[in-house]
Amino acid sequence: EAGVAQSPRYKIIEKRQSVAFWCNPISGHATLYWYQQILGQGPKLLIQFQNNGVVDDSQLPKDRFSAERLKGVDSTLKIQPAKLEDSAVYLCASSLVALAADEQFFGPGTRLTVL
Amino acid sequence: GEDVEQSLFLSVREGDSSVINCTYTDSSSTYLYWYKQEPGAGLQLLTYIFSNMDMKQDQRLTVLLNKKDKHLSLRIADTQTGDSAIYFCAERISPAGAGSYQLTFGKGTKLSVIP
Repeated sequence: EAGVAQSPRYKIIEKRQSVAFWCNPISGHATLYWYQQILGQGPKLLIQFQNNGVVDDSQLPKDRFSAERLKGVDSTLKIQPAKLEDSAVYLCASSLVALAADEQFFGPGTRLTVL
Repeated sequence: GEDVEQSLFLSVREGDSSVINCTYTDSSSTYLYWYKQEPGAGLQLLTYIFSNMDMKQDQRLTVLLNKKDKHLSLRIADTQTGDSAIYFCAERISPAGAGSYQLTFGKGTKLSVIP
């Protein structure tokens, strides 16, 4: 079974530029998560989708971050404009649903450096 | 609010046992998890425990849960150099109500295994 795919793996941009990350979850997984992991910290949930609907985006900085999951499969996360403090690894995860003990499977992440 | 605390570093000799500790705050957490993150990789689920259990064993891994003290530990027997990684404790919460489950992670414990 193929895992969660993310691209690009690395991205370096200057502050005030825009950037987009892509995630392809495991086939058949209805729930998709985007996490931000700042160096030395644990992952922090940014947004959770159930199919193509948003379940929780309370921790997403909506003035600069946006995410979509058209057709309930792939997802993109965008930052516009980027700030220095956005430097982090952005992890995508998916699970069958968000019930019971469903395991979240994580992708390798995209490491963003904002200069 | 939710908060998961872990010690940041642990160093052990190869062949010894490692014990990684974690405290959490949400008494309604139904599941607690241990994830492993190797350099440059996403998170990998190691094991989880349901809140009505106080111990779970899986090969070299033993999880102990003290629900009264909200304390979780992971013991790795016969620690190997391949166990060197960051270990994250996570609790399952339901901030948006039934049907919406999320993970809150600690900052991670970096385990270094000395040959």
